[in-house]
Amino acid sequence: AQTVTQSQPEMSVQEAETVTLSCTYDTSESDYYLFWYKQPPSRQMILVIRQEAYKQQNATENRFSVNFQKAAKSFSLKISDSQLGDAAMYFCAYRSEPGGTSYGKLTFGQGTILTVHP
Amino acid sequence: SQTIHQWPATLVQPVGSPLSLECTVEGTSNPNLYWYRQAAGRGLQLLFYSIGIDQISSEVPQNLSASRPQDRQFILSSKKLLLSDSGFYLCAWNGDSGNSPLHFGNGTRLTVT
Repeated sequence: AQTVTQSQPEMSVQEAETVTLSCTYDTSESDYYLFWYKQPPSRQMILVIRQEAYKQQNATENRFSVNFQKAAKSFSLKISDSQLGDAAMYFCAYRSEPGGTSYGKLTFGQGTILTVHP
Repeated sequence: SQTIHQWPATLVQPVGSPLSLECTVEGTSNPNLYWYRQAAGRGLQLLFYSIGIDQISSEVPQNLSASRPQDRQFILSSKKLLLSDSGFYLCAWNGDSGNSPLHFGNGTRLTVT
């Protein structure tokens, strides 16, 4: 079974600075998908960014980008120009290729609480 | 556009009482449906997932059950709640495409007293 590890329970950053959240995963599969979700105090889960494992190019979405290292099974999230609204819990998630035995369900890490200081 | 509805938003139930949480999806057909639980503001634990009617898989043995009476309806139930069932329950759906993200409902905060 796949596992996702977020080794930083909490992180903090100054407004306008850059922060990187770590995520590693364990899998024997070659095709899969990775996601970062944000959960603000409202507890609504919001998709931040996604990455297909077959793509070498790192995904970017405005101020959010990832550093995907397939061989190292690492998928970190970089937030540039941090804003107060970025304060939330961030979850890394792994999805197997649908159609396999796991039916493409997502496995989540334990989350990293990000605090943004003004 | 697709939307997901989950209710109730908040629920306080005594130990031993039954539970029924409902989730419906609009704007798509044959979605993959999921129930997750989040305890104490930490990680999401997958409880059940369904890739179709009459195809429900349980991830964690417990006193909860799930049913899918219609293609876009997913229900989480319990006959007798335990204190340990307290938590934040999230329904979600995604499509069959690998990069299809999970779309979450707004969640139900369940307190068992």
